[in-house]
Amino acid sequence: KNQVEQSPQSLIILEGKNCTLQCNYTVSPFSNLRWYKQDTGRGPVSLTIMTFSENTKSNGRYTATLDADTKQSSLHITASQLSDSASYICVVPRGSQGNLIFGKGTKLSVKP
Amino acid sequence: NAGVTQTPKFQVLKTGQSMTLQCAQDMNHEYMSWYRQDPGMGLRLIHYSVGAGITDQGEVPNGYNVSRSTTEDFPLRLLSAAPSQTSVYFCASSYLGANTGELFFGEGSRLTVL
Repeated sequence: KNQVEQSPQSLIILEGKNCTLQCNYTVSPFSNLRWYKQDTGRGPVSLTIMTFSENTKSNGRYTATLDADTKQSSLHITASQLSDSASYICVVPRGSQGNLIFGKGTKLSVKP
Repeated sequence: NAGVTQTPKFQVLKTGQSMTLQCAQDMNHEYMSWYRQDPGMGLRLIHYSVGAGITDQGEVPNGYNVSRSTTEDFPLRLLSAAPSQTSVYFCASSYLGANTGELFFGEGSRLTVL
């Protein structure tokens, strides 16, 4: 069964600390994996798109890693800021056009 | 630089009423889609379109209709609203298509059906 599982469900960290969010997928065949950030009450915004051949990709303080062998991805946030408080969603396309599998997301809260 | 614009942002309906959620994009994207987001679940695809005049069903199409008469607009119609359609709806567009290109989302439309 094609699935995208994210952990933890929620996370609370202090401002300035680092954190890592996890995404495990069982989608096959695999083409790419995306991470989105969704602020409360807003639409998701793309952070990264990683293809099969990419191991690491950075976008400012966000660094995504991909291990296609173990079917795992992580999103590392460095020196967290209050504005990082959001849900982070892992997404993997499946087969036919338009068929994206969305994880349930990790809700991150950054406290001062 | 509007991107993807959805209206209305909030709507309350009674069971059996009909309404249309509007979605417009100004990026000349061929691919447009509608998702619903429910608590504790990932976003689920309702309908999508790969160009004007072409639409197809997604994972949860029942109770919803779409049409695509122009590249810019992709309205979602609820013909007879049911409480199970209470959700947050997102419209998204992409230049290359959902599987290969970046998806740009609207800000969402929160629908409550009483």
